[in-house]
Amino acid sequence: DTAVSQTPKYLVTQMGNDKSIKCEQNLGHDTMYWYKQDSKKFLKIMFSYNNKELIINETVPNRFSPKSPDKAHLNLHINSLELGDSAVYFCASSQARGTYGYTFGSGTRLTVV
Amino acid sequence: QQQVKQSPQSLIVQKGGISIINCAYENTAFDYFPWYQQFPGKGPALLIAIRPDVSEKKEGRFTISFNKSAKQFSLHIMDSQPGDSATYFCAASAMSSSNTGKLIFGQGTTLQVKP
Repeated sequence: DTAVSQTPKYLVTQMGNDKSIKCEQNLGHDTMYWYKQDSKKFLKIMFSYNNKELIINETVPNRFSPKSPDKAHLNLHINSLELGDSAVYFCASSQARGTYGYTFGSGTRLTVV
Repeated sequence: QQQVKQSPQSLIVQKGGISIINCAYENTAFDYFPWYQQFPGKGPALLIAIRPDVSEKKEGRFTISFNKSAKQFSLHIMDSQPGDSATYFCAASAMSSSNTGKLIFGQGTTLQVKP
């Protein structure tokens, strides 16, 4: 009965590989987000979808591509991984574009070696 | 304009003491100010939030104080407990003027409460 679930929890991969992170929410929320948390714990928004429509696309390398097949799912695909992509990636969801706060997943720790 | 500045970066408090974390912002369009609590290995969780029409909001041991003219807000944790040891983030969003719900986070404060 996890509200926002991300898979995998840990991802270790070599430079140049392509990887995906999946996110699902069962809260009935209409908006989903991807945030990146760096080694200093700073949280920065990457993307947001509202009812499958992309509404936030921050300055992120185009190697990162989000996909939302329906409003309960938001996946993140990363091409040609680089060392600097190592971080914890959090998926979050909200109702009414964040009016009542976000619910975050438990994160995916990506390590690029 | 989009930044939220948070201080201190780290804080050590004795059990039973008061923990105070401060945040400042520049964008006057911000109208929603939540605080999130994050434990190691977990995602941030909403703790308490305030809107600028009130100057204070209290929920249990947690209180947000808001100063609209100074563009500052703070989190007070009364009777701090070792279980409160976590990283705390302030955040801000321009709910009324933006249709995206984008939250801008502060840099985070690592709180350690000593027994």
